[in-house]
Amino acid sequence: RKEVEQDPGPFNVPEGATVAFNCTYSNSASQSFFWYRQDCRKEPKLLMSVYSSGNEDGRFTAQLNRASQYISLLIRDSKLSDSATYLCVVNIPPSGGYNKLIFGAGTRLAVHP
Amino acid sequence: GAGVSQSPSNKVTEKGKDVELRCDPISGHTALYWYRQSLGQGLEFLIYFQGNSAPDKSGLPSDRFSAERTGGSVSTLTIQRTQQEDSAVYLCASSLTGGKNIQYFGAGTRLSVL
Repeated sequence: RKEVEQDPGPFNVPEGATVAFNCTYSNSASQSFFWYRQDCRKEPKLLMSVYSSGNEDGRFTAQLNRASQYISLLIRDSKLSDSATYLCVVNIPPSGGYNKLIFGAGTRLAVHP
Repeated sequence: GAGVSQSPSNKVTEKGKDVELRCDPISGHTALYWYRQSLGQGLEFLIYFQGNSAPDKSGLPSDRFSAERTGGSVSTLTIQRTQQEDSAVYLCASSLTGGKNIQYFGAGTRLSVL
């Protein structure tokens, strides 16, 4: 089983749609969770951290379910500029004193007019 | 610039040649990471530096791969006797410390081995 699994997509949605991405992780001791965004041929950039109680940043909402080891990202009112690959990122609990991050392979989103 | 800087941005080399990839992290960041991303794949961890030492080299795929960091700043990833399967984007990231700090990525070096 992969340490972080995501549906690769692509998700093709019209502008204004609501879309949700899911991610599962295998290490129950993981403590830090993130969503990164990667545009085509660009580097990954942090979109948002994911907190236990769930958190929202504008049109983006992240949820964490520790019992099911499941993370989600909801995008409301999709914009053309949201087209990108969304990477689910989970830490391996500190060993050797550092926060090792494991990246999912990403879910591709294409928003069309 | 205040971000992570990598050079070259693109590198084309012949099979069997050695290549050096450079990463200049954000000033003050003590932690530095190298990743590899093959076409359509996720990021594959290669190595982690804390200061000049590398406590975790577990992701280096073979002994042809090595990395060093000097002065707690610039890092060089060296691939000896390159193979076609080494073709990928090599990404460098830095964070303030090795703890629960956000990793910031450079734009990467796109390596093509012919």
